[in-house]
Amino acid sequence: DSGVTQTPKHLITATGQRVTLRCSPRSGDLSVYWYQQSLDQGLQFLIQYYNGEERAKGNILERFSAQQFPDLHSELNLSSLELGDSALYFCASSVGPRGRGEKLFFGSGTQLSVL
Amino acid sequence: LAKTTQPISMDSYEGQEVNITCSHNNIATNDYITWYQQFPSQGPRFIIQGYKTKVTNEVASLFIPADRKSSTLSLPRVSLSDTAVYYCLVGEGDNTDKLIFGTGTRLQVFP
Repeated sequence: DSGVTQTPKHLITATGQRVTLRCSPRSGDLSVYWYQQSLDQGLQFLIQYYNGEERAKGNILERFSAQQFPDLHSELNLSSLELGDSALYFCASSVGPRGRGEKLFFGSGTQLSVL
Repeated sequence: LAKTTQPISMDSYEGQEVNITCSHNNIATNDYITWYQQFPSQGPRFIIQGYKTKVTNEVASLFIPADRKSSTLSLPRVSLSDTAVYYCLVGEGDNTDKLIFGTGTRLQVFP
């Protein structure tokens, strides 16, 4: 158990809908990272927050948004969903702001299926 | 920016040593190189991390040449349970905090 909690584990929805994925980092970790992994694909970096502030941004679609709350949990909001958004979404956490030189601890992911 | 690239797949037999190389020619001067292991439908799990030369822990070794533009993960005496996808992870460059995974190497270990 990595200590990172992601909910829900599975999500099935329809095209055009909006969903929210939730992540609770390990106790004491201030950074949260979101990654997307499509079927048989690698891990694509979406966004990172550190202590509530956006720290780095990857190829995140405009239909997607995220935030980190004062209690350090994070939510990833996906709207106007398309079939191609179906993927495994991972959250990871680390202690510091930069990630470099640190271990990232990953949750078990949320499997999103858009039908 | 150049991608971080790895061989797509590798096959091995139990008991053999496996070496997986990652090319990261855009690595930042202050960046570390980290390797993760991923099983199907699970989140990646930390294996080893290094900055230069050689690092060894209880499960693997990491070799980093002087120019740091590549790294090699070495798994001694693999077993069937080492069948997984292995990723290297580096920062995207000097002026960003993006952490980018390599393309991943699918290792299949046979009995």
